[in-house]
Amino acid sequence: DQQVKQNSPSLSVQEGRISILNCDYTNSMFDYFLWYKKYPAEGPTFLISISSIKDKNEDGRFTVFLNKSAKHLSLHIVPSQPGDSAVYFCAASESPSNTGKLIFGQGTTLQVKP
Amino acid sequence: KAGVTQTPRYLIKTRGQQVTLSCSPISGHRSVSWYQQTPGQGLQFLFEYFSETQRNKGNFPGRFSGRQFSNSRSEMNVSTLELGDSALYLCASSLWGRNEQFFGPGTRLTVL
Repeated sequence: DQQVKQNSPSLSVQEGRISILNCDYTNSMFDYFLWYKKYPAEGPTFLISISSIKDKNEDGRFTVFLNKSAKHLSLHIVPSQPGDSAVYFCAASESPSNTGKLIFGQGTTLQVKP
Repeated sequence: KAGVTQTPRYLIKTRGQQVTLSCSPISGHRSVSWYQQTPGQGLQFLFEYFSETQRNKGNFPGRFSGRQFSNSRSEMNVSTLELGDSALYLCASSLWGRNEQFFGPGTRLTVL
C-alpha cells in the first residue's frame, strides 16, 4: 500500500519554462511534506517543505502547493534550468511529526532541455 | 558545516555474510534515520535513533539492526545477507524537533 504516490515517472520541460511535479497521498495523518532532489550516486538533497497548516511555501525558484482536501501537493520550479535535471521525491511525515520517519514517493525524473 | 558522511561508499559481500555501515551526522544533529533505496521499492525507512535510543522502526526483518553512540554517530548492521539486500543505504540526520532530514551520499551494498 503506497501512501505517497508520484504518478508521473518522468517529465521533460524546456529551459526557462515552468516545471510542475505532482504528488498524491492517502494518509490523512500526514501533517508535514517535503521535496527532495537526487542526482545519481548522491544522497537526496532537501529542497523545500510545507506544514499542513499552510497551503503554499516559496523559496526562490521553488514553490510547493498543498491541497489538503484533495490530498495533493505539487512542486513548481520557475524558471527551470538544465541543472534542475534530477529525480525529485516527495516525502511525508505522519502526525505526531518529528518521529524521524519519512514516507517517500517513487520519484519523478525531471529533464530540463537547453 | 560538514554534511552527513557515510562509510564505506561501496561494499561487496556474499550471501550469508554480515555487514556494518557507518554514519556521522551533521554536527549538532542528534537524530539519525536510515533508509534503503532499491529500484523496485524506492526509499524505505529502516529505523531512527535519537539519544542512543531507537525511536521508530520500519517493516524490515530482525536481520537489520542499528545503534547510536553518545556522539550521535550511528551504525547499521545487516546479518545473514541475502541477494535482495543489495541496495543503496542512506543515512539522514536532523535537528531535534525538525522534520527536515539531510542525507549522506549513501553506501552502495552489493550482495553476490
